[in-house]
Amino acid sequence: LAKTTQPISMDSYEGQEVNITCSHNNIATNDYITWYQQFPSQGPRFIIQGYKTKVTNEVASLFIPADRKSSTLSLPRVSLSDTAVYYCLVGEGGKLIFGQGTTLQVKP
Amino acid sequence: ETGVTQSPTHLIKTRGQQVTLRCSSQSGHNTVSWYQQALGQGPQFIFQYYREEENGRGNFPPRFSGLQFPNYSSELNVNALELDDSALYLCASSTLGIYEQYFGPGTRLTVT
Repeated sequence: LAKTTQPISMDSYEGQEVNITCSHNNIATNDYITWYQQFPSQGPRFIIQGYKTKVTNEVASLFIPADRKSSTLSLPRVSLSDTAVYYCLVGEGGKLIFGQGTTLQVKP
Repeated sequence: ETGVTQSPTHLIKTRGQQVTLRCSSQSGHNTVSWYQQALGQGPQFIFQYYREEENGRGNFPPRFSGLQFPNYSSELNVNALELDDSALYLCASSTLGIYEQYFGPGTRLTVT
């Protein structure tokens, strides 16, 4: 069973900021939180990873509260090309356990 | 730097047959993981290989087996194919223990 829960789908408009929240109530001490993006008929692509507080890279930010039972992926100013499935994963040792993911639809 | 490649791109097999899928890892990576992705579902972890040894396995039966070669390329073998084995098979390469895995484009397997 996946160790994460996230919304099945979300809609947004171009130029908006999108926040996707993931629940992981049973996260273990050694677990990291990782987000992947997947386009149809392609392999997933790594977006960002974090352990606690806030992590930012050139494409996204990841917010993790102190209890680490949830995390929020923030995509600034989305475009149509950000339409994809977004997966939140927790785990250790590099073995990725994917859930259902969140299908983000960006509209013009 | 060469990315992860997989072959073949598509494959059609008959129930009961055997299949071998191949993956070439990204330069510098010593770990290969295999995933099965059914239509509309997230990828499911099959197993991981590190330096030619299996380093973890998901909830898949023994008829799913693998190999990793000295150059870190890998094969996934599936025996006694079943209809439910129809899926996209993804391979990902990385450095051991690192979450940033680089996925190939996948092999679409159809079992009839």
